[in-house]
Amino acid sequence: SQTIHQWPATLVQPVGSPLSLECTVEGTSNPNLYWYRQAAGRGLQLLFYSVGIGQISSEVPQNLSASRPQDRQFILSSKKLLLSDSGFYLCAWSRRGINTGELFFGEGSRLTVL
Amino acid sequence: AQSVAQPEDQVNVAEGNPLTVKCTYSVSGNPYLFWYVQYPNRGLQFLLKYITGDNLVKGSYGFEAEFNKSQTSFHLKKPSALVSDSALYFCAVRGLNTGGFKTIFGAGTRLFVKA
Repeated sequence: SQTIHQWPATLVQPVGSPLSLECTVEGTSNPNLYWYRQAAGRGLQLLFYSVGIGQISSEVPQNLSASRPQDRQFILSSKKLLLSDSGFYLCAWSRRGINTGELFFGEGSRLTVL
Repeated sequence: AQSVAQPEDQVNVAEGNPLTVKCTYSVSGNPYLFWYVQYPNRGLQFLLKYITGDNLVKGSYGFEAEFNKSQTSFHLKKPSALVSDSALYFCAVRGLNTGGFKTIFGAGTRLFVKA
């Protein structure tokens, strides 16, 4: 069976510090990978998606970047955090080549920037 | 532009009563529609989806949803609510003009089931 892991689960960082959130998927190959941000426990905003190693599409210009160094690894980064980067970050995957496929989400990483 | 609307921020229902969580969408072409549930401080879990075929779709935990093309709606339903159904529910759409890889989510509806 497939599993998705995200870490760290919670993170408190000062403004201006760097960020690295990691997501890995097991039990499947060539997944599509996504990073979403959820603000105030409500709607989800798609930040990045990837259809393969090194292939990243950004949805919203922002202070964040994403990388996919391996097939099942997706990393969300920032060089200098802003207060507005606080939120609940969710990694997700879907099966490659199936547009009708549902998303499978990790448990999320809660980031607080102080 | 593609969009998903969940007109109710919150739905309150008594345990044992039927529940409905509403969703309407706007997308070009045939939509692929989804419902997800989120419990506090957790990731989203897939409940059900409509791709094609029968307008009534059955999913996990006794939930079902009805696709209505003329009303562009995809309401989530359950015949008898449980207290454990209390959670945040998201409707989502993936359509031709959202791009094959992008799923757009509604703002979410918080369901409270009272014992």
